[in-house]
Amino acid sequence: AQKVTQAQTEISVVEKEDVTLDCVYETRDTTYYLFWYKQPPSGELVFLIRRNSFDEQNEISGRYSWNFQKSTSSFNFTITASQVVDSAVYFCALSPTGDGTASKLTFGTGTRLQVTL
Amino acid sequence: AAGVIQSPRHLIKEKRETATLKCYPIPRHDTVYWYQQGPGQDPQFLISFYEKMQSDKGSIPDRFSAQQFSDYHSELNMSSLELGDSALYFCASSFLGGEETQYFGPGTRLLVL
Repeated sequence: AQKVTQAQTEISVVEKEDVTLDCVYETRDTTYYLFWYKQPPSGELVFLIRRNSFDEQNEISGRYSWNFQKSTSSFNFTITASQVVDSAVYFCALSPTGDGTASKLTFGTGTRLQVTL
Repeated sequence: AAGVIQSPRHLIKEKRETATLKCYPIPRHDTVYWYQQGPGQDPQFLISFYEKMQSDKGSIPDRFSAQQFSDYHSELNMSSLELGDSALYFCASSFLGGEETQYFGPGTRLLVL
């Protein structure tokens, strides 16, 4: 069984602060994908990033960066210089890698990020 | 770029009525997924289809059924609606032979009265 834990229920920061969202996962699969999705107040689910389990290289994309550590089963997501438009619920998610089947996403419970002026 | 299309966006039904939600995947995507998100909850997987065949099944009630058609669009049929079915229903699509990232539609907000 797969499990994703986002221990932070809600985070509040002031604009321009950096913020890190934590994600810890459990899986028996040897290969898998990890994702971050954003759900703004309007309700849609927006794909942000994807990482393969065999690629632990951490990257930066604009104001977003992520830290994937297989040894601790963590996939943390950082927003640098936060903006009010970053206010949303952020979901970490996990799925097995492609084996020819349409693998479901298992989501964490989400972290609500509130960015204020 | 074209996104996943869902219709209707909002739906109000009475208890015991039926509802049909539609999903049009991103062009060239061959896989469709349905998720249900209750208020304040994370999305829960219902069912998926690959090349018009059911691929995986989650916690989908027996009152619900779904299918994927020859043009790859999918429909989720919900019968004998209950108050607890009130939720946001998402459809996502992906291309299994490629990137495999699931891209979500805007969702259908169903309210059962």
